[in-house]
Amino acid sequence: AQKITQTQPGMFVQEKEAVTLDCTYDTSDPSYGLFWYKQPSSGEMIFLIYQGSYDQQNATEGRYSLNFQKARKSANLVISASQLGDSAMYFCAMREGGSGNTPLVFGKGTRLSVIA
Amino acid sequence: EADIYQTPRYLVIGTGKKITLECSQTMGHDKMYWYQQDPGMELHLIHYSYGVNSTEKGDLSSESTVSRIRTEHFPLTLESARPSHTSQYLCASSEFGSGGENNSPLHFGNGTRLTVT
Repeated sequence: AQKITQTQPGMFVQEKEAVTLDCTYDTSDPSYGLFWYKQPSSGEMIFLIYQGSYDQQNATEGRYSLNFQKARKSANLVISASQLGDSAMYFCAMREGGSGNTPLVFGKGTRLSVIA
Repeated sequence: EADIYQTPRYLVIGTGKKITLECSQTMGHDKMYWYQQDPGMELHLIHYSYGVNSTEKGDLSSESTVSRIRTEHFPLTLESARPSHTSQYLCASSEFGSGGENNSPLHFGNGTRLTVT
Protein backbone atom coordinates (compact mmCIF):
# COMPACT_ATOMS: atom_id res chain seq x y z
CA ALA A 1 0.00 0.00 0.00
CA GLN A 2 1.15 3.50 -0.77
CA LYS A 3 2.38 5.29 2.33
CA ILE A 4 2.26 8.69 0.64
CA THR A 5 -0.46 9.60 -1.86
CA GLN A 6 -0.41 12.70 -4.00
CA THR A 7 -3.57 12.63 -6.11
CA GLN A 8 -2.84 15.64 -8.33
CA PRO A 9 -0.42 14.75 -11.14
CA GLY A 10 -0.51 18.34 -12.38
CA MET A 11 -1.80 21.70 -11.17
CA PHE A 12 -2.04 25.14 -12.74
CA VAL A 13 -2.18 28.39 -10.81
CA GLN A 14 -2.25 32.03 -11.81
CA GLU A 15 0.69 34.12 -10.72
CA LYS A 16 0.11 35.82 -7.33
CA GLU A 17 -2.66 33.38 -6.43
CA ALA A 18 -2.46 30.76 -3.67
CA VAL A 19 -2.40 27.04 -4.44
CA THR A 20 -2.83 23.90 -2.34
CA LEU A 21 -1.02 20.67 -3.17
CA ASP A 22 -2.59 17.61 -1.59
CA CYS A 23 -0.82 14.88 0.35
CA THR A 24 -2.29 12.03 2.37
CA TYR A 25 -0.27 9.50 4.29
CA ASP A 26 -0.69 6.09 5.83
CA THR A 27 1.03 5.00 9.01
CA SER A 28 0.17 3.25 12.25
CA ASP A 29 3.18 4.72 14.01
CA PRO A 30 2.20 7.54 16.41
CA SER A 31 5.52 9.29 15.77
CA TYR A 32 6.35 10.46 12.27
CA GLY A 33 7.57 13.43 10.30
CA LEU A 34 6.26 14.89 7.07
CA PHE A 35 8.38 16.78 4.55
CA TRP A 36 7.81 18.69 1.33
CA TYR A 37 10.44 19.04 -1.37
CA LYS A 38 10.56 21.09 -4.57
CA GLN A 39 12.29 19.80 -7.67
CA PRO A 40 12.78 22.34 -10.49
CA SER A 41 13.48 21.21 -14.04
CA SER A 42 17.20 21.35 -13.25
CA GLY A 43 16.68 18.27 -11.09
CA GLU A 44 17.90 19.21 -7.62
CA MET A 45 15.73 18.46 -4.61
CA ILE A 46 15.07 21.46 -2.36
CA PHE A 47 13.70 20.98 1.16
CA LEU A 48 10.76 23.31 1.84
CA ILE A 49 9.00 22.53 5.09
CA TYR A 50 8.62 19.98 7.88
CA GLN A 51 5.72 18.96 10.14
CA GLY A 52 6.07 16.61 13.09
CA SER A 53 3.24 14.36 14.19
CA TYR A 54 3.22 15.89 17.67
CA ASP A 55 3.44 19.48 16.52
CA GLN A 56 0.45 21.45 17.75
CA GLN A 57 0.66 24.17 15.14
CA ASN A 58 0.86 24.04 11.38
CA ALA A 59 4.35 24.63 10.06
CA THR A 60 5.12 27.78 8.10
CA GLU A 61 8.21 28.85 6.15
CA GLY A 62 7.87 32.11 4.29
CA ARG A 63 5.29 31.63 1.53
CA TYR A 64 4.96 27.93 2.35
CA SER A 65 2.61 26.58 4.97
CA LEU A 66 1.47 23.10 5.79
CA ASN A 67 -2.19 22.38 6.44
CA PHE A 68 -1.83 19.44 8.82
CA GLN A 69 -5.00 17.50 9.58
CA LYS A 70 -3.89 14.58 11.71
CA ALA A 71 -7.25 12.82 11.97
CA ARG A 72 -7.58 12.84 8.20
CA LYS A 73 -3.91 11.93 7.75
CA SER A 74 -3.37 14.79 5.37
CA ALA A 75 -0.49 17.25 5.09
CA ASN A 76 -1.30 19.65 2.28
CA LEU A 77 1.22 22.23 1.13
CA VAL A 78 -0.08 25.76 0.64
CA ILE A 79 1.93 28.17 -1.48
CA SER A 80 0.79 31.76 -1.16
CA ALA A 81 1.35 34.48 -3.78
CA SER A 82 2.61 32.08 -6.44
CA GLN A 83 5.59 33.13 -8.52
CA LEU A 84 6.77 31.92 -11.91
CA GLY A 85 9.78 30.38 -10.18
CA ASP A 86 7.45 28.11 -8.21
CA SER A 87 6.85 26.04 -11.35
CA ALA A 88 8.34 22.64 -10.44
CA MET A 89 7.60 19.15 -9.21
CA TYR A 90 6.59 18.98 -5.55
CA PHE A 91 7.07 15.84 -3.48
CA CYS A 92 5.55 14.95 -0.14
CA ALA A 93 7.55 12.52 2.01
CA MET A 94 7.26 10.80 5.36
CA ARG A 95 9.65 9.37 7.91
CA GLU A 96 8.13 6.94 10.41
CA GLY A 97 9.30 6.09 13.89
CA GLY A 98 10.36 8.07 16.92
CA SER A 99 14.08 7.72 16.48
CA GLY A 100 14.23 9.72 13.27
CA ASN A 101 16.45 7.04 11.83
CA THR A 102 14.37 5.55 9.03
CA PRO A 103 14.52 6.55 5.37
CA LEU A 104 12.09 9.00 3.82
CA VAL A 105 9.35 7.55 1.63
CA PHE A 106 8.23 9.82 -1.19
CA GLY A 107 4.95 10.28 -3.02
CA LYS A 108 4.64 10.36 -6.80
CA GLY A 109 4.72 14.13 -6.90
CA THR A 110 2.62 16.97 -8.29
CA ARG A 111 3.78 19.13 -11.20
CA LEU A 112 2.88 22.76 -10.54
CA SER A 113 2.76 25.23 -13.40
CA VAL A 114 2.45 28.93 -12.59
CA ILE A 115 0.86 30.99 -15.36
CA ALA A 116 1.66 34.65 -15.88
CA GLU B 1 23.66 25.17 2.58
CA ALA B 2 24.18 21.46 2.09
CA ASP B 3 27.53 20.34 0.74
CA ILE B 4 26.95 17.08 -1.03
CA TYR B 5 28.57 16.32 -4.32
CA GLN B 6 27.86 13.75 -6.99
CA THR B 7 30.04 12.82 -9.93
CA PRO B 8 29.72 12.47 -12.80
CA ARG B 9 26.79 14.79 -13.54
CA TYR B 10 26.03 12.96 -16.78
CA LEU B 11 27.18 9.51 -17.93
CA VAL B 12 26.53 7.60 -21.14
CA ILE B 13 27.78 4.03 -21.10
CA GLY B 14 27.32 0.78 -22.99
CA THR B 15 25.45 -2.28 -21.80
CA GLY B 16 27.45 -4.65 -19.61
CA LYS B 17 29.89 -2.08 -18.28
CA LYS B 18 30.66 -1.76 -14.59
CA ILE B 19 30.12 1.76 -13.28
CA THR B 20 30.53 3.54 -9.97
CA LEU B 21 28.60 6.68 -9.13
CA GLU B 22 30.38 8.85 -6.60
CA CYS B 23 28.82 10.73 -3.70
CA SER B 24 30.61 12.76 -1.04
CA GLN B 25 29.41 15.08 1.70
CA THR B 26 31.34 17.47 3.88
CA MET B 27 28.77 17.94 6.63
CA GLY B 28 29.79 14.97 8.75
CA HIS B 29 26.35 13.41 8.40
CA ASP B 30 26.08 9.81 9.52
CA LYS B 31 23.11 8.91 7.34
CA MET B 32 23.42 8.66 3.57
CA TYR B 33 21.02 7.44 0.90
CA TRP B 34 20.77 6.59 -2.78
CA TYR B 35 17.51 7.13 -4.65
CA GLN B 36 16.63 6.36 -8.26
CA GLN B 37 14.25 8.66 -10.09
CA ASP B 38 12.92 8.51 -13.64
CA PRO B 39 12.15 11.99 -15.07
CA GLY B 40 9.15 13.57 -13.34
CA MET B 41 8.47 10.44 -11.34
CA GLU B 42 8.71 9.39 -7.69
CA LEU B 43 11.96 8.58 -5.90
CA HIS B 44 12.75 4.96 -5.13
CA LEU B 45 15.17 4.07 -2.33
CA ILE B 46 18.06 1.89 -3.51
CA HIS B 47 20.45 1.73 -0.54
CA TYR B 48 21.14 3.61 2.67
CA SER B 49 23.69 3.75 5.43
CA TYR B 50 23.62 4.85 9.05
CA GLY B 51 27.36 5.12 9.41
CA VAL B 52 30.73 3.62 8.56
CA ASN B 53 30.53 -0.09 7.72
CA SER B 54 26.72 0.07 7.84
CA THR B 55 24.67 -0.47 4.67
CA GLU B 56 21.03 -1.39 4.20
CA LYS B 57 19.00 -2.35 1.13
CA GLY B 58 16.05 -0.39 -0.15
CA ASP B 59 13.36 -1.34 -2.62
CA LEU B 60 15.57 -1.42 -5.74
CA SER B 61 18.80 -2.80 -4.36
CA SER B 62 19.14 -6.08 -6.20
CA GLU B 63 21.25 -4.84 -9.11
CA SER B 64 23.67 -2.57 -7.28
CA THR B 65 26.00 -2.44 -4.32
CA VAL B 66 27.27 0.29 -2.00
CA SER B 67 30.07 0.70 0.49
CA ARG B 68 30.64 3.05 3.41
CA ILE B 69 34.28 2.94 4.38
CA ARG B 70 34.46 6.63 5.26
CA THR B 71 31.76 8.86 6.74
CA GLU B 72 31.91 11.32 3.88
CA HIS B 73 31.88 8.86 0.97
CA PHE B 74 29.05 6.59 -0.24
CA PRO B 75 29.65 5.23 -3.76
CA LEU B 76 27.07 3.22 -5.72
CA THR B 77 28.23 0.48 -8.09
CA LEU B 78 26.34 -1.18 -10.92
CA GLU B 79 28.19 -4.39 -11.77
CA SER B 80 26.68 -4.74 -15.25
CA ALA B 81 24.79 -1.77 -16.65
CA ARG B 82 21.58 -2.39 -18.60
CA PRO B 83 19.28 -0.02 -20.53
CA SER B 84 16.74 -0.42 -17.71
CA HIS B 85 19.24 1.37 -15.45
CA THR B 86 18.82 4.55 -17.48
CA SER B 87 17.61 7.05 -14.89
CA GLN B 88 18.66 9.79 -12.52
CA TYR B 89 20.47 8.75 -9.35
CA LEU B 90 20.20 11.04 -6.35
CA CYS B 91 22.45 10.86 -3.31
CA ALA B 92 21.35 12.41 -0.02
CA SER B 93 22.53 12.73 3.56
CA SER B 94 21.04 13.75 6.88
CA GLU B 95 21.89 14.03 10.53
CA PHE B 96 20.91 11.41 13.02
CA GLY B 97 17.70 12.09 14.88
CA SER B 98 17.82 12.15 18.64
CA GLY B 99 15.36 12.37 21.45
CA GLY B 100 12.49 11.25 19.27
CA GLU B 101 13.11 13.85 16.60
CA ASN B 102 12.02 13.07 13.06
CA ASN B 103 12.83 16.47 11.68
CA SER B 104 16.22 16.01 10.01
CA PRO B 105 15.64 16.75 6.33
CA LEU B 106 17.56 15.05 3.57
CA HIS B 107 20.13 17.18 1.78
CA PHE B 108 20.42 16.10 -1.84
CA GLY B 109 23.21 16.26 -4.36
CA ASN B 110 22.55 17.44 -7.91
CA GLY B 111 22.22 13.90 -9.20
CA THR B 112 23.85 11.75 -11.86
CA ARG B 113 21.90 11.27 -15.07
CA LEU B 114 22.81 7.85 -16.41
CA THR B 115 22.09 6.62 -19.91
CA VAL B 116 22.86 3.01 -20.80
CA THR B 117 22.93 2.29 -24.53
